[in-house]
Amino acid sequence: LAKTTQPISMDSYEGQEVNITCSHNNIATNDYITWYQQFPSQGPRFIIQGYKTKVTNEVASLFIPADRKSSTLSLPRVSLSDTAVYYCLVGDIGDNNDMRFGAGTRLTVKP
Amino acid sequence: GAVVSQHPSRVICKSGTSVKIECRSLDFQATTMFWYRQFPKQSLMLMATSNEGSKATYEQGVEKDKFLINHASLTLSTLTVTSAHPEDSSFYICSASERGGFNEQFFGPGTRLTVL
Repeated sequence: LAKTTQPISMDSYEGQEVNITCSHNNIATNDYITWYQQFPSQGPRFIIQGYKTKVTNEVASLFIPADRKSSTLSLPRVSLSDTAVYYCLVGDIGDNNDMRFGAGTRLTVKP
Repeated sequence: GAVVSQHPSRVICKSGTSVKIECRSLDFQATTMFWYRQFPKQSLMLMATSNEGSKATYEQGVEKDKFLINHASLTLSTLTVTSAHPEDSSFYICSASERGGFNEQFFGPGTRLTVL
């Protein structure tokens, strides 16, 4: 079980880049790193997933160092609608079905 | 994209009754489904993992006789909260992973259960 640690909360302003780092020191070889966004009273929404190095999609980038013991979600130019809780999840669905969430990071974007 | 639905989205029931929540993968076959519970301002807590055609694996502290999980097909899993009590009031969320697909969970919209 790769336990994850994230900052409890972060504040930002519209238009800024936000970087949220997740620590996962016990990550296993087959584990992937996935980030989710959750709004109140909704199910989590997939943002991005990676295994190593850097991954980029239309909404975010994910940076993973060589040792994979941490990962950083980067949100470019956030808006008010990005205010949400962000979770990093580390695991391998195909292997051990171990999909436990950490505490998440509550991001508040201010005008 | 892969879509997971839950029904009902909201349910209010009296204490002592049983409530069934359905989780469906609409456009893919779900090898594995996960059930989570979330209390206000807290993270998701994994309750159980179910694979199609086999018994669910429950997390420590989750009563399997109280939270009955049935994953009878590759597109449907149900969670039945038996003899519900006010402390069972919570937001229940299911997710599904695709057979042969990428290592990703697709989440349902959640079900808000209120036990009076």
